[in-house]
Amino acid sequence: RKEVEQDPGPFNVPEGATVAFNCTYSNSASQSFFWYRQDCRKEPKLLMSVYSSGNEDGRFTAQLNRASQYISLLIRDSKLSDSATYLCAVSFNTGGFKTIFGAGTRLFVKA
Amino acid sequence: EAGVTQSPTHLIKTRGQQATLRCSPISGHTSVYWYQQALGLGLQFLLWYDEGEERNRGNFPPRFSGRQFPNYSSELNVNALELEDSALYLCASSIRGQGGNEQFFGPGTRLTVL
Repeated sequence: RKEVEQDPGPFNVPEGATVAFNCTYSNSASQSFFWYRQDCRKEPKLLMSVYSSGNEDGRFTAQLNRASQYISLLIRDSKLSDSATYLCAVSFNTGGFKTIFGAGTRLFVKA
Repeated sequence: EAGVTQSPTHLIKTRGQQATLRCSPISGHTSVYWYQQALGLGLQFLLWYDEGEERNRGNFPPRFSGRQFPNYSSELNVNALELEDSALYLCASSIRGQGGNEQFFGPGTRLTVL
């Protein structure tokens, strides 16, 4: 089983739609959680950290479910510019911190 | 504020050669991470440096090595290059900490091995 797993997609949604991504992780001792966005042939850019209480930034909402070991990202009112690959990242300490990224979920938002 | 910078942007080498990639972190950041992203694949953790020391490494052979300098910049060296080493190599930095902090990425070095 992979340490961090995401649905590879692609997700094809119309503008204005709400889309949700899930990411599961296997290490119960995971301590930090993040969502990144990566455009084609570019570097990942930090979208948001994910806190136990959940957090929201405009149209983006991230949640953490430690009991079920997954994090989620909800995008409301999708824009064409949201088209990208969304990566989740999980950090844990096993004799030294390591951050593991999911393979990413590709999102296409269409007019 | 300047972001993470990497050089060169592109690097073309032949099998068996050595490659050296460089990274300068965001000012004030002491941790540097290296990742490999092969075409169509996810980011694979390579190395983590903090305060000049290697803190952790991923599941890569010893021919992948690096170092961090007193100014916190870092170098990744790949010896005895193989065709499958062709990938985008990304460097990220974070503030001093235990390694679980937010990481900010540079634009990457695209390495092609012929």
